[in-house]
Amino acid sequence: EVQLEQSGAEARKPGESLKISCKGSGYSFPYYWIGWVRQMPGKGLEWMGIIYPGDSDTRYSPSFRGQVTISADKSISTAYLQWTSLEAADTAMYYCVREPYEGSIRGIMLYWGQGTLVTVSS
Amino acid sequence: SYVLTQPPSVSVAPGKTASITCGGNNIGSESVHWYQQKPGQAPVLVILYNNDRPSGIPERFSGSNSGNTATLTISRVEAGDEADYYCQVWDNNSDHVVFGGGTKLSVL
Repeated sequence: EVQLEQSGAEARKPGESLKISCKGSGYSFPYYWIGWVRQMPGKGLEWMGIIYPGDSDTRYSPSFRGQVTISADKSISTAYLQWTSLEAADTAMYYCVREPYEGSIRGIMLYWGQGTLVTVSS
Repeated sequence: SYVLTQPPSVSVAPGKTASITCGGNNIGSESVHWYQQKPGQAPVLVILYNNDRPSGIPERFSGSNSGNTATLTISRVEAGDEADYYCQVWDNNSDHVVFGGGTKLSVL
């Protein structure tokens, strides 16, 4: 069974850094694209970007390029989403998502993690 | 960037058919995927490639896509179908996902 297990809720102050994680299990982690989706409170879904853990090929949404860093460590089957300087506007639920087809990026989010709530407040 | 337009809300009586639209420029030439999100839960893929259902999704859920409009149709609506629904495409021009704004389905 494919599972995406995300790290727990985080609270930070503006200007602080943060790295949240998503551990994949039940499949061959290096060979499936895995991405991140943001959902601000009461708002819709926003796709942030995606990474192929096998070679770290990464694509970003224009809206998030330069704002976050997506990475992966295939040795421990874990993907990451990282901020160097958080803002209050980063307060949101963040979901990791996985493509359904091995080696293929088609923008289909078949598997979802449970979400990580990030709260940024002074 | 490609834009997908959904109505903010749709209401339907139990047992009736709900149609949720997703507008986009020549969207009929794209592959459209649909997600259901219930309050407090992660989204669930309910339709992929315009009209395919992932394993476990009831046959009551179907989709169509032509011209400038894709449509998610839910037949014999149940109270448990009340949720937000999002359409989505892959923008081949810029290699990223585009979501519609979402539609809140209310079951009267």
